[in-house]
Amino acid sequence: QSVLTQPPSVSGAPGQRVTISCTGSSSNIGAGYDVHWYQQLPGTAPKLLIYGNSNRPSGVPDRFSGSRSDTSPSLAITGLQAEDEADYYCQSYDSGLSAWVFGGGTKLTVL
Amino acid sequence: EVQLVESGGGLVQPGGSLRLSCAASGFTFSTYWMSWVRQAPGKGLEWVANIKKDGSEKDYVDSVKGRFTISRDNAKNTLYLQMNSLKAEDTAVYYCARGYVNGVPWFDPWGQGTLVTVSS
Repeated sequence: QSVLTQPPSVSGAPGQRVTISCTGSSSNIGAGYDVHWYQQLPGTAPKLLIYGNSNRPSGVPDRFSGSRSDTSPSLAITGLQAEDEADYYCQSYDSGLSAWVFGGGTKLTVL
Repeated sequence: EVQLVESGGGLVQPGGSLRLSCAASGFTFSTYWMSWVRQAPGKGLEWVANIKKDGSEKDYVDSVKGRFTISRDNAKNTLYLQMNSLKAEDTAVYYCARGYVNGVPWFDPWGQGTLVTVSS
């Protein structure tokens, strides 16, 4: 059971837009800690996709965007491409656990 | 180019020990916090440990406290994870990841990972 909750899977057709939510609580996201997002392509290491809720590292396409509202930040992917098929994880800090925490991951399928 | 390369994984019996290494290059290692994150087969990501730039502060997830020790050698640009009293539930790919200069807000980049299998 992950501290941050994500939907196990989402899907969309090429060109469509999908969103992935990340729900936390008053000891992590609700306490104001930033949320970060990672993309893990099959068989590879995770890669930072969004940091500080909505910032993209250099090299990340602007099709990927992060937003935040209260305790439910989200990742949006527009113009879906086959190469976007991957697992996506949110991450934050939990003051109650004194631990860095991840969501359980969301598997994106491009139909 | 920033690069992190883990080594030291393998098969170990329950109760055994293993030391993982992570060789860093392409950045000034001594100015960054560093971390270990693991991923059990077919499962999600779990943060394991952090260490401050000079090694003076260390944090661990509860499940490894007292069994794992994170350390670093800034002269060798290398991060370590000493794992003792290993359990089956420690079986995972262990990733080395870079934090930030003032702490660990996020993990970037990650190494390719090294697989640790705890089994008799």
